[in-house]
Amino acid sequence: DIQMTQSPSSLSASVGDRVIITCRASQSISSYLNWYQQKPGKAPKLLIYAASSLQSGVPLRFSGSGSGTDFTLTISSLQPEDFATYYCQQSYSTPPEYTFGQGTKLEIK
Amino acid sequence: QVQLVESGGGVVQPGRSLRLSCAASGFIFSNYAMHWVRQAPGKGLEWMALISYDGNNIYYADSVKGRFTISRDNSKNTLYLQVNSLRAEDTAMYYCARDMDRSGWNWFDPWGQGTLVTVSS
Repeated sequence: DIQMTQSPSSLSASVGDRVIITCRASQSISSYLNWYQQKPGKAPKLLIYAASSLQSGVPLRFSGSGSGTDFTLTISSLQPEDFATYYCQQSYSTPPEYTFGQGTKLEIK
Repeated sequence: QVQLVESGGGVVQPGRSLRLSCAASGFIFSNYAMHWVRQAPGKGLEWMALISYDGNNIYYADSVKGRFTISRDNSKNTLYLQVNSLRAEDTAMYYCARDMDRSGWNWFDPWGQGTLVTVSS
């Protein structure tokens, strides 16, 4: 089984900060990596697919990079609406097994 | 617009069963594979099951294999999850999500709002 580990688990930042969240896979997953944002009481929302492709409608301040085992989600300039929990997810496994990271909670400093 | 609406959750005693539904609209349901994902209170996301567009291919997470059954009725644009022998640790919000596939890459979009299952005596 492929394990996904995010760091940090929680993060305090201020509006306007640049934030980087990392996700590490227990084995190489090429670029089969997605990022989701979840706000309290809401369903997850897709931000990034295939490691670096921005979902339509997602602000350009969000970007993703990486391949193999190490990936990052970068928010270039935090906005008030970005405070949420972020999850990475691998879609590499065959047969399918879509493992999520444990989440990174982004809080206001 | 594309929409997924789950229903069927509630409070259920340990050992009992429940059938969750996910009604799809705004897209051609029969063209897409679908997933169930759950989230225990205060915890992370756990993928549970995938069903292909035609129902012929089904995959489960090891944690629910043998107790949960995913199915679909394309004539009703509805996805189902039959959950049996419920345990306290099955208490969670259950989400359905559409599978998006492009050249072998897969992601989940959109997600429904979820239906809450509470297992308690």
